[in-house]
Amino acid sequence: QSVLTQPPSVSAAPGQKVTISCSGSSSNIGNNYVSWYQQLPGTAPKLLISDNNKRPSGIPDRLSGSKSGTSATLGITGLQTGDEADYYCGTWDSSLSAWVFGGGTKLTVL
Amino acid sequence: QITLKESGPTLVKPTQTLTLTCTFSGFSLSTTGVGVGWIRQPPGKALEWLALIYWDDEKRYSPSLKSRLTLTKDTSRNQVILTMTNIDPVDTATYYCAHGFGGVIGFDYWGQGTLVTVSS
Repeated sequence: QSVLTQPPSVSAAPGQKVTISCSGSSSNIGNNYVSWYQQLPGTAPKLLISDNNKRPSGIPDRLSGSKSGTSATLGITGLQTGDEADYYCGTWDSSLSAWVFGGGTKLTVL
Repeated sequence: QITLKESGPTLVKPTQTLTLTCTFSGFSLSTTGVGVGWIRQPPGKALEWLALIYWDDEKRYSPSLKSRLTLTKDTSRNQVILTMTNIDPVDTATYYCAHGFGGVIGFDYWGQGTLVTVSS
């Protein structure tokens, strides 16, 4: 059972938009930065979003991150088949003194 | 360019101690705000954070695994070593090390991972 809750799966058609939610509490998302990671099959995770909404160099602007209260959201527009992957949110939990990840969301581009 | 690479045994017997080494380049673990984390992923399952060592040698461990984990760093050799005692088949996973930035508000560079299988 992950400290951060993500939907197990989301799907959308190519070209469409999808959002992935990440729900936590005041001890983690509520008071710390959230980052998002993409994991393509058989590869290491890749940082997509840091500091709640900042894109590292090379990450296209069709990806976005937001945070409100104790929840965070990853948005992907203009979906491509290459976006099919597992997506994870992560943040520090001040009560646990531990880094925590969500359970992951599998994105399917229909 | 920052790179990290995990190394260690691919097969470990139950009850043994697992030692994994993360060898990195392109940054110094003495630089303020930098950290190296260990994260694992059992086959078909989610990421699980294990441990984190900061630039000032502060260490943090997963509460559920704290009694079994030890982190050390060799700054001169650019290595971080993770030791896990009393290994069990449920510890079978791909183990990643990753570069933490900004006081470790995220992990921006990851190693390729190393699969460790626990079996007798």
